[in-house]
Amino acid sequence: AQSVTQPDIHITVSEGASLELRCNYSYGATPYLFWYVQSPGQGLQLLLKYFSGDTLVQGIKGFEAEFKRSQSSFNLRKPSVHWSDAAEYFCAAKNYGGSQGNLIFGKGTKLSVKP
Amino acid sequence: GAGVSQSPRYKVAKRGQDVALRCDPISGHVSLFWYQQALGQGPEFLTYFQNEAQLDKSGLPSDRFFAERPEGSVSTLKIQRTQQEDSAVYLCASSLGWQGNSPLHFGNGTRLTVT
Repeated sequence: AQSVTQPDIHITVSEGASLELRCNYSYGATPYLFWYVQSPGQGLQLLLKYFSGDTLVQGIKGFEAEFKRSQSSFNLRKPSVHWSDAAEYFCAAKNYGGSQGNLIFGKGTKLSVKP
Repeated sequence: GAGVSQSPRYKVAKRGQDVALRCDPISGHVSLFWYQQALGQGPEFLTYFQNEAQLDKSGLPSDRFFAERPEGSVSTLKIQRTQQEDSAVYLCASSLGWQGNSPLHFGNGTRLTVT
């Protein structure tokens, strides 16, 4: 069955430190891949997406993600975390091509930022 | 407004009551999705519309859940005879196209609490 796994439930980093959030997917073929951020009481905001081509994708708010086919991974990174980045982050995947299938989400990683 | 609008923002229902949750997608968006997000979990797919046609309802948890989008714009998710396990945030999302790579835009959700 198709699935998205985020191994880390909760991560705490110091402000200014680097960040990497892990995401692994299990699909028959490479899916479309997304990272969303959700602040408390808010909907999900798209940070970045990967469809094909360059495996390093840039997103909003200084985030980037790298697609690694060999590892079935799409990890999210940020060189220097700001206190405002504290939120929950969701990796998601959708079947490639054809009509729109449903988006499958991981369970999320909650990011806390220490001053 | 420019974004996806959901109402009400919060809903408290007594067990057994019927509820109706409304979603106003971004104008012109063809696709509309409903997701259910339980506390501490990632969103889970409920149903998908392309214009007024409900193309996928495989995620609806029971026949107490019903969604419609009669004119291909506003959508309503109805839950009959609510149960405590229905307590969750219900997220609506829309996208401009029907292709798999068309990104989703999410509303802020309706938090349903069944007492």
